[in-house]
Amino acid sequence: DTAVSQTPKYLVTQMGNDKSIKCEQNLGHDTMYWYKQDSKKFLKIMFSYNNKELIINETVPNRFSPKSPDKAHLNLHINSLELGDSAVYFCASSQGPGQGPTGELFFGEGSRLTVL
Amino acid sequence: AQSVTQLGSHVSVSEGALVLLRCNYSSSVPPYLFWYVQYPNQGLQLLLKYTSAATLVKGINGFEAEFKKSETSFHLTKPSAHMSDAAEYFCAVSGPNFGNEKLTFGTGTRLTIIP
Repeated sequence: DTAVSQTPKYLVTQMGNDKSIKCEQNLGHDTMYWYKQDSKKFLKIMFSYNNKELIINETVPNRFSPKSPDKAHLNLHINSLELGDSAVYFCASSQGPGQGPTGELFFGEGSRLTVL
Repeated sequence: AQSVTQLGSHVSVSEGALVLLRCNYSSSVPPYLFWYVQYPNQGLQLLLKYTSAATLVKGINGFEAEFKKSETSFHLTKPSAHMSDAAEYFCAVSGPNFGNEKLTFGTGTRLTIIP
């Protein structure tokens, strides 16, 4: 069983469209994250949820809206897609917070978004 | 704010040679430091971590890293490179700020193994 699974793995769409990426973890973790990896492989955190509550919200355009229906799921919805949104989006999970910064994040395989 | 700097975006070594990937950190408080590896078309996985216990940390696949406070470094080494080590390696830092697991990653080092 895949620990952190994301769908879809590949997404090609036109500018201005709205798209969603789904993430599920079966590790029983309390915290989930979205990271964005750009074309130069730079990884930056976007959001983090703990037990469905938003705890990290970096400087991300309002067009990006995360939603956590339960602690095992964290979805990312993107409105009005722009060329600069093209990237690989990684979902991750961890046991924290409240149990110390163990630092071990478990990553999904990524969702490659291409905006034309 | 904590940050890490990885020196060398690309490193090439011959199979069987020493692997040395450099990471320097900047932190106003004692940091927690990590190395992650990313194989092609995959997510990241943890190689090893330093959380203020032993300064020499051993990880998976024969990798180890040494925390040197005087040099603010956390370099990753492996005595003998294997073809399967070819991947992207990321150093990351997390502060002892209980409440979230935010990791700040370096820009990555691509390791190429020459047969």
